Amino acid sequence: DVKVTQSSRYLVKRTGEKVFLECVQDMDHENMFWYRQDPGLGLRLIYFSYDVKMKEKGDIPEGYSVSREKKERFSLILESASTNQTSMYLCASRPGPERPGYTFGSGTRLTVV
Amino acid sequence: GESVGLHLPTLSVQEGDNSIINCAYSNSASDYFIWYKQESGKGPQFIIDIRSNMDKRQGQRVTVLLNKTVKHLSLQIAATQPGDSAVYFCAESHHNTDKLIFGTGTRLQVFP
Repeated sequence: DVKVTQSSRYLVKRTGEKVFLECVQDMDHENMFWYRQDPGLGLRLIYFSYDVKMKEKGDIPEGYSVSREKKERFSLILESASTNQTSMYLCASRPGPERPGYTFGSGTRLTVV
Repeated sequence: GESVGLHLPTLSVQEGDNSIINCAYSNSASDYFIWYKQESGKGPQFIIDIRSNMDKRQGQRVTVLLNKTVKHLSLQIAATQPGDSAVYFCAESHHNTDKLIFGTGTRLQVFP
């Protein structure tokens, strides 16, 4: 089974801190995605990556950046955390567009205080 | 748009009954559909998928039905169990978008 691993289940950070959320997949998938999930707003795409060193903005990229230096790892970076970035963050991967279904990680619940 | 959590439509069923969760999609060009289950505090898990060249697909205790005429997708769960309690999401995609578009979630509550 494909495994998508998010490094932290729960994280508490202070306003203004730089925050790194890490995601690793073990099946050589080309495509990786970062979403945030909030009550009443559902799943919103932040950034995605089709391949190493490639990235594209999703629907809500403001305040975030990403890094994909290796195929298996896709990092989400909050340059200066703010309280409105308190959310559940979900990483997902898939082999490629020919197999469109995502495999999700367990999520990271980030609280910014 | 999508919604999750407090504002979700909710389906309540008795243990042992069959559940039917519905989803309407908007893009007639969508050619792939998938259902996810999300338990509280966890990431979404794949349940079953279907391509547009099929009308029905069955898994273990689950069946997905696709009606392209009315752009409707349903998930049927047979003999619903307490462990089926979760939020269920449908999603669609087509080859030109390369991304899944998530639908409104439905909360399934199973009572004894």
